[in-house]
Amino acid sequence: GQNIDQPTEMTATEGAIVQINCTYQTSGFNGLFWYQQHAGEAPTFLSYNVLDGLEEKGRFSSFLSRSKGYSYLLLKELQMKDSASYLCAVPPEYGGATNKLIFGTGTLLAVQP
Amino acid sequence: GAGVSQSPSNKVTEKGKDVELRCDPISGHTALYWYRQSLGQGLEFLIYFQGNSAPDKSGLPSDRFSAERTGGSVSTLTIQRTQQEDSAVYLCASSLGQGSYEQYFGPGTRLTVT
Repeated sequence: GQNIDQPTEMTATEGAIVQINCTYQTSGFNGLFWYQQHAGEAPTFLSYNVLDGLEEKGRFSSFLSRSKGYSYLLLKELQMKDSASYLCAVPPEYGGATNKLIFGTGTLLAVQP
Repeated sequence: GAGVSQSPSNKVTEKGKDVELRCDPISGHTALYWYRQSLGQGLEFLIYFQGNSAPDKSGLPSDRFSAERTGGSVSTLTIQRTQQEDSAVYLCASSLGQGSYEQYFGPGTRLTVT
């Protein structure tokens, strides 16, 4: 089976750095996704990690450790518009026939002035 | 270019009625997914279509739920004899297909069963 854990809520200050953690347990591993979802809107793709290490993409970076079943999303120079839910997701099986994703419940980030 | 579109954006229905939700994927995307998101919950996979292959229906919660994809493009999710626990946002996503995992989501249909 699959299990994904994320903190439910986080609060951070504008201009600061925040790290959102995700731990997962899957029968195989075929990459990990981060999506951003603003209230009332559709999720949008942020990152996909399949190898260990840190991948940087502007103000957002994503880290993966396959041996620890652990990932984090790092947001730098926080802006008010970064207030959103951040969803961690994994495909449920390695080499599976489908691309369906298993999502965590998401971390609701509130950025305060 | 046009993204994934869904209709209606909101649907209020009485318990026991049937509803149909529509999804238009991005042109050229062969893979199409339906998810639902209940208040305060993560996205729950429902069904997946890939080209002409048999759909993966493993996420459908009961036999009241069914989906079709005609002509490899538009999809319709049907919920028969709706129940209050069916109230949720139903999200459709599409991707280029197997091997291309980024999924593009539509705005969703908010279903309320009274």
